[in-house]
Amino acid sequence: EIVLTQSPGTLSLSPGERATLSCRASQSVSDNYLAWYQQKPGQAPRLLIYDASNRATGIPDRFGGSGSGADFTLTISRLEPEDFAVYYCQQYGSSPRTFGQGTKVEIK
Amino acid sequence: QVQLVQSGAEVKKPGASVKVSCKASGYTFTGYYIHWLRQVPGQGPEWMGLINPGSGSTTYKHKFRGRVTMTSDTSTSTTYMEVSSLRSEDTAFYYCAREEVTSIGWYAFDVWGQGTIVTVSP
Repeated sequence: EIVLTQSPGTLSLSPGERATLSCRASQSVSDNYLAWYQQKPGQAPRLLIYDASNRATGIPDRFGGSGSGADFTLTISRLEPEDFAVYYCQQYGSSPRTFGQGTKVEIK
Repeated sequence: QVQLVQSGAEVKKPGASVKVSCKASGYTFTGYYIHWLRQVPGQGPEWMGLINPGSGSTTYKHKFRGRVTMTSDTSTSTTYMEVSSLRSEDTAFYYCAREEVTSIGWYAFDVWGQGTIVTVSP
């Protein structure tokens, strides 16, 4: 089973600042099948990025994904008030599908 | 619009079973796998397994084999997940999510149900 480790656990930033979130896999992710999700309290996760760098439908271009192999990054170029949430990475290249433990982006 | 609508909250006693439903609408039901996941507040989601609604074939995470059963009803575009022999550690939010069926690769979960809270308490 691939273990995904996200860092940092919490990111304290102000609106307008840049956020950089990391996701490291215990082994290479097949075909870069790596996704990022956003989750707000009381809601289901929402797909932001798939295949490591492709934005899902309707996702603003301030969200960007990069990386390959076992190291991936989600970047939010300028934080908007609605971006403060928990972010999860997930690999879907091998079974079982696994998620990271999450990074909380909170208002500083 | 495309959506997955899950059944409501459940409270069960240890040892009992629970069956959660996930009704799809707005897309071709047999064109997407339905995955089931669970999430304890404060933790990342945990993948439990998937079903191909068209064929009925299933794949379960090893730890859930023998205790989880996923089924589908194409006449109502509904998928079901039953968990038996419930214990307190099964208390969590349960989600269904879809993934496009394709022969050329895998996809992320682009649509999720709203979640169903299952509480296991004596």
